[in-house]
Amino acid sequence: LAKTTQPISMDSYEGQEVNITCSHNNIATNDYITWYQQFPSQGPRFIIQGYKTKVTNEVASLFIPADRKSSTLSLPRVSLSDTAVYYCLVGEPGSNYQLIWGAGTKLIIKP
Amino acid sequence: ETGVTQSPTHLIKTRGQQVTLRCSSQSGHNTVSWYQQALGQGPQFIFQYYREEENGRGNFPPRFSGLQFPNYSSELNVNALELDDSALYLCASSGDRGLYEQYFGPGTRLTVT
Repeated sequence: LAKTTQPISMDSYEGQEVNITCSHNNIATNDYITWYQQFPSQGPRFIIQGYKTKVTNEVASLFIPADRKSSTLSLPRVSLSDTAVYYCLVGEPGSNYQLIWGAGTKLIIKP
Repeated sequence: ETGVTQSPTHLIKTRGQQVTLRCSSQSGHNTVSWYQQALGQGPQFIFQYYREEENGRGNFPPRFSGLQFPNYSSELNVNALELDDSALYLCASSGDRGLYEQYFGPGTRLTVT
């Protein structure tokens, strides 16, 4: 089971680009990297998922280097509403029971 | 398309009692997973149901049990409640045994006194 390491907390300011890096040294060949966002007293919300190189959607970008031992979630031009906990997960599609959720990264956006 | 719903929103129980939490999955999803989330921690996987069968379980004792119904809604039952069972219980649904992304409900906040 791949385990991830990400910063406990980060601060940034409105309008800035925020990059959160996740380490997953033991990632397996069939594993995908998935990021979720969670606001207090709510369930996590899917942000983005990728396997290699770069994935972009309307919310974020995910950068994955060739060795896949780390990944970076990039949030462009953050706002106060992006204050939340962000979780990085690594696992094979269909294997929810093998995913390990760490404590995530608490991102605080300041005005 | 309706999202994942959970009931009740909040619940207070006494140690030793039993509790049943309910989850309605998103339309078209046949897989439901349950998670326990203690304050300040990430969700911990309890178990997953696919087409009414349990097909994965986390490190939780047998007093945590579940059901999935033909309409893919689900129940989580916890017997002999302990103080440490106080947490936010999350239900997530997905298609095809959890491929790619899960859709989470708002959770049920359980307090055991």
